[in-house]
Amino acid sequence: GENVEQHPSTLSVQEGDSAVIKCTYSDSASNYFPWYKQELGKGPQLIIDIRSNVGEKKDQRIAVTLNKTAKHFSLHITETQPEDSAVYFCAASKKGSGNTGKLIFGQGTTLQVKP
Amino acid sequence: DAGVTQSPTHLIKTRGQQVTLRCSPKSGHDTVSWYQQALGQGPQFIFQYYEEEERQRGNFPDRFSGHQFPNYSSELNVNALLLGDSALYLCASSLARSGYTFGSGTRLTVV
Repeated sequence: GENVEQHPSTLSVQEGDSAVIKCTYSDSASNYFPWYKQELGKGPQLIIDIRSNVGEKKDQRIAVTLNKTAKHFSLHITETQPEDSAVYFCAASKKGSGNTGKLIFGQGTTLQVKP
Repeated sequence: DAGVTQSPTHLIKTRGQQVTLRCSPKSGHDTVSWYQQALGQGPQFIFQYYEEEERQRGNFPDRFSGHQFPNYSSELNVNALLLGDSALYLCASSLARSGYTFGSGTRLTVV
């Protein structure tokens, strides 16, 4: 069935270092890959997303790469700051032109950035 | 511009009872999806509503039902509550090819 595996489950880095979170999806029809940040007591917040026709996307300190052949995508955060500390989720979806497909989430990565 | 609004924020119910959770989508969004997030886990898709009809459904029993109103707001109903239904219930709204916007959720505790 549809599945998204996310690693690592926890990640601790020093402020200023880079952090990388990796996900693998099972459904080859997936074409939309968002990343969410969830802080305590809040809902997931979209931080970046990528569609299957693009291999890489960057937004300031955050970048996402996609390898469709390997069914693998990754989140890269550079120059980490303490406020980046949160739980990060990857997700995969099959989005059509007229609908928003259901999201299949990974298990989450707890990122701790030490000052 | 208000985002997704969910109510209540917290509630406690007894096993066997029924519960209704409410969601107002982000302004301009017409699709509402509901997710269940157990502690320490990623959200799990329950169902999605569009044009007042259930369009997709995840692997949840019939005890979970929903409704979407003409103003796009939505309700999630859970009957015959089990201890395992304790979770954070998230509502997410979207519009066609836009991404999802999530609410802060309703924390349901079943005792």
